[in-house]
Amino acid sequence: EIVMTQSPGTLSLSPGESVTLSCRASQSISSNYLAWYQQKPGQAPRLLIYGAFFRATGIPDRFSGSASGTDYTLIISRLEPEDFAVYYCQQYFSSWTFGPGTKVEIK
Amino acid sequence: EVRLVESGGLLVQPGGSLRLSCAASGFTFSSHAMSWVRQAPGKGLEWVSAINGGGIRTFYADSVKGRFTISRDNAKSTLYLQMNSLRVDDTAEYYCARDSNSLLDWWGQGTLVTVSS
Repeated sequence: EIVMTQSPGTLSLSPGESVTLSCRASQSISSNYLAWYQQKPGQAPRLLIYGAFFRATGIPDRFSGSASGTDYTLIISRLEPEDFAVYYCQQYFSSWTFGPGTKVEIK
Repeated sequence: EVRLVESGGLLVQPGGSLRLSCAASGFTFSSHAMSWVRQAPGKGLEWVSAINGGGIRTFYADSVKGRFTISRDNAKSTLYLQMNSLRVDDTAEYYCARDSNSLLDWWGQGTLVTVSS
């Protein structure tokens, strides 16, 4: 099983700041089969990024993804109030496994 | 617009059974594999089971293998999850998700299963 790890567990930030979330896969994910999801309290996860780099339909361009080997990054530039949520990375190369999530909270 | 609506979540005793449903609309249901993903209260996401578009190939997480059965009725555009021998640690919100080339791109709002005596 491919194990996904995320860091940090929680980030406390203010609106307007930028944030970098990290995710690491325990082994190579061919063709960057890596997605990022956003989840707000009481809501289902929403797809943000797929293929490590590509924004899903309707996702604003302040969200961007990058990859280096087995390390993946989600960058949110200029946090909006609606961006405070939990973010999960997920690999879909071999079955599906999720990272434990990073909570972005208002400072 | 893609829409996935789960139902069937209830309070059930340990050892009991439950069947969840997921009604799909807004896309060609039979052209997509589908998955169930669950989330225990206050915890992260765990993939549970998947089924291909034709309903022939099924996949399960080790934690539910032998107890849960995924199925689908393409004529009704509905996905199911039969859950037997339920345990307290099966308590979770259960989401169905559409699979587009392995990417889980659309999710329902979830249905809550509580296993407790």
